[in-house]
Amino acid sequence: GAVVSQHPSWVICKSGTSVKIECRSLDFQATTMFWYRQFPKQSLMLMATSNEGSKATYEQGVEKDKFLINHASLTLSTLTVTSAHPEDSSFYICSARGSNTDTQYFGPGTRLTVL
Amino acid sequence: AQRVTQPEKLLSVFKGAPVELKCNYSYSGSPELFWYVQYSRQRLQLLLRHISRESIKGFTADLNKGETSFHLKKPFAQEEDSAMYYCALNRNQGGKLIFGQGTELSVKP
Repeated sequence: GAVVSQHPSWVICKSGTSVKIECRSLDFQATTMFWYRQFPKQSLMLMATSNEGSKATYEQGVEKDKFLINHASLTLSTLTVTSAHPEDSSFYICSARGSNTDTQYFGPGTRLTVL
Repeated sequence: AQRVTQPEKLLSVFKGAPVELKCNYSYSGSPELFWYVQYSRQRLQLLLRHISRESIKGFTADLNKGETSFHLKKPFAQEEDSAMYYCALNRNQGGKLIFGQGTELSVKP
């Protein structure tokens, strides 16, 4: 089956630094990738949608300059949290979808802790 | 407003008992609904979708447009069904999913 990986699985950083999270589709080409955020004991909230080779589409209320998304290839999308602050601490999950399916395959998530 | 509501945070049943996880939605168009499951320490995975009208691991879900519901049912729960279940709505058929709050199902021996 389709596999999506995320790296790193967890990261701790200091306030003010930037953190990059990678999302890779291992055995299929992902024309679309989605980035979600999940707070403890809460649901997944869609942050943005990225299509390979084009700019990401951000959901209302998500700062595009703070959460930079790059989908440079059909197997890789990155989310960079710039100038991270403690309130950015969360679980970030990506999903990927191929061109011939509407099924989203989810990554295992990345736990970000900003001190 | 587009919204998915799962009223139960936790549902606890005994093995062999029927289980129903509730999901209600608010959507003006023609909805496309899914159930996702997350087992302990594993990633989110698709369980079933309403358009397939299939039964996966004994679970079924019927879309009721009149009641705007998409409840997940299983006649005889198993311990391995214990997991977090999320109901999701495909917004505008563009792949953008709106998730419910999730229901933790605990099946006791």
